[in-house]
Amino acid sequence: DTAVSQTPKYLVTQMGNDKSIKCEQNLGHDTMYWYKQDSKKFLKIMFSYNNKELIINETVPNRFSPKSPDKAHLNLHINSLELGDSAVYFCASSQGLDRNYEQYFGPGTRLTVT
Amino acid sequence: GQQVIQIPQYQHVQEGEDFTTYCNSSTTLSNIQWYKQRPGGHPVFLIQLVKSGEVKKQKRLTFQFGEAKKNSSLHITATQTTDVGTYFCAVRSNFGNEKLTFGTGTRLTIIP
Repeated sequence: DTAVSQTPKYLVTQMGNDKSIKCEQNLGHDTMYWYKQDSKKFLKIMFSYNNKELIINETVPNRFSPKSPDKAHLNLHINSLELGDSAVYFCASSQGLDRNYEQYFGPGTRLTVT
Repeated sequence: GQQVIQIPQYQHVQEGEDFTTYCNSSTTLSNIQWYKQRPGGHPVFLIQLVKSGEVKKQKRLTFQFGEAKKNSSLHITATQTTDVGTYFCAVRSNFGNEKLTFGTGTRLTIIP
C-alpha cells in the first residue's frame, strides 16, 4: 500500500499555463507538506498544513496556492507557470507537529515548464 | 534564516571504502534527522538524534550529534553500491519553530 501518493508523476507544460498536483496520504497523519527540489537537489519547504489549517507559508509566489480539503489530502495549484518553476515537487506527511516526528515523502512530481 | 551546510557536496568512493558527511548549523539545534534519497527517488527517513553527543548505529551507518548540538555526522563503513544516493540532514532550531530545514545534501557515488 502506498503511504503518500502524488499525481501526476511527470508534468510537462508551457509557460503561462495553470496546473495542479494532487497528494494523498493513507497514514492517518495530521500534518502535510509541500517541498520543492531544484536541479541542484536543494530541498525547500513551501507549505505545511496541520488538520487542514495552514501552518507554514514560506516565501513562495502567490501563484502557488495549496488546498487541503481534508487532512488526508493536500493539493498544489500553480497559476501562470514560469520557467523557474521547473523542479521536482514532493509532498510529505508526518504524524503531527511535534518536532520528533519524521516525515514520509511521496514519490515526487517532476514539473517541466517549456 | 537558518543555514544548514553539508560537506562535502559530492563524494565519489571506491566500493569498500568508508564515507563521511558532515552537517553544520549556524544555530543550536533541538534535534536532527537524517534522510537518504536514492537517484530518481524520494527522501526516506533514516534516523533521529536528540541528545548532545548522541551516537546511533544502523548496521554500517554511524550517526553522531555534536556536543554543542550544532553539528552532526553520518559515517558509512565499507560502502556498497546500494549506498548510492544523496544524504540529507534535516534540523529544527531550539527556538520552537516547527519548520524542518534540510541541509544542502551530500551526493555519494560508488565506483564498483
